[in-house]
Amino acid sequence: AQRVTQPEKLLSVFKGAPVELKCNYSYSGSPELFWYVQYSRQRLQLLLRHISRESIKGFTADLNKGETSFHLKKPFAQEEDSAMYYCAVQPGGTSYGKLTFGQGTILTVHP
Amino acid sequence: GAVVSQHPSRVICKSGTSVKIECRSLDFQATTMFWYRQFPKQSLMLMATSNEGSKATYEQGVEKDKFLINHASLTLSTLTVTSAHPEDSSFYICSARPRTNEETQYFGPGTRLLVL
Repeated sequence: AQRVTQPEKLLSVFKGAPVELKCNYSYSGSPELFWYVQYSRQRLQLLLRHISRESIKGFTADLNKGETSFHLKKPFAQEEDSAMYYCAVQPGGTSYGKLTFGQGTILTVHP
Repeated sequence: GAVVSQHPSRVICKSGTSVKIECRSLDFQATTMFWYRQFPKQSLMLMATSNEGSKATYEQGVEKDKFLINHASLTLSTLTVTSAHPEDSSFYICSARPRTNEETQYFGPGTRLLVL
């Protein structure tokens, strides 16, 4: 069964410091990987997806199939980046659209 | 932008009663809606996939007779928690996949259910 692991429940950095939120997945086939973000008192929203290979709000994530990782990175964290971040896996085929989420990492960026 | 609403936002009910939660796509049609459950400080767990005009498909371990899902139109799916018990207390979140862009899905704000 597919599994998504985010080893850090909490991550604290200072403003301007680099940040990396780790995500490892276990899945056979060619899944699609996502990062979702949930700001305080807001709904879950898509941050980025690996197939688009784009940078959103300064965040990037590279899919490493060898290490089965999809770590989220930002070179200079901002206070407004403080939020809950979820890594998610979506299989294809008949299960297209079904997301398996990691446990989430709460990022706190201190001034 | 695509907006998904849920009603009610929170509900408190007595044990043994049934509770209906609505998920609506406000400005787009959704052929598929997903229902998730989130326990405090835990991740979202997919409960079921709701397809317009057909029966929902449930994930392993989710009781279909307990959690009734109806997707009667392209903009509305309902989740009914039947004979609710305190262990059903949770945060229920839906998401909707647009008919015109099936590569994405938009999440609702969630419904907090407390069963006394």
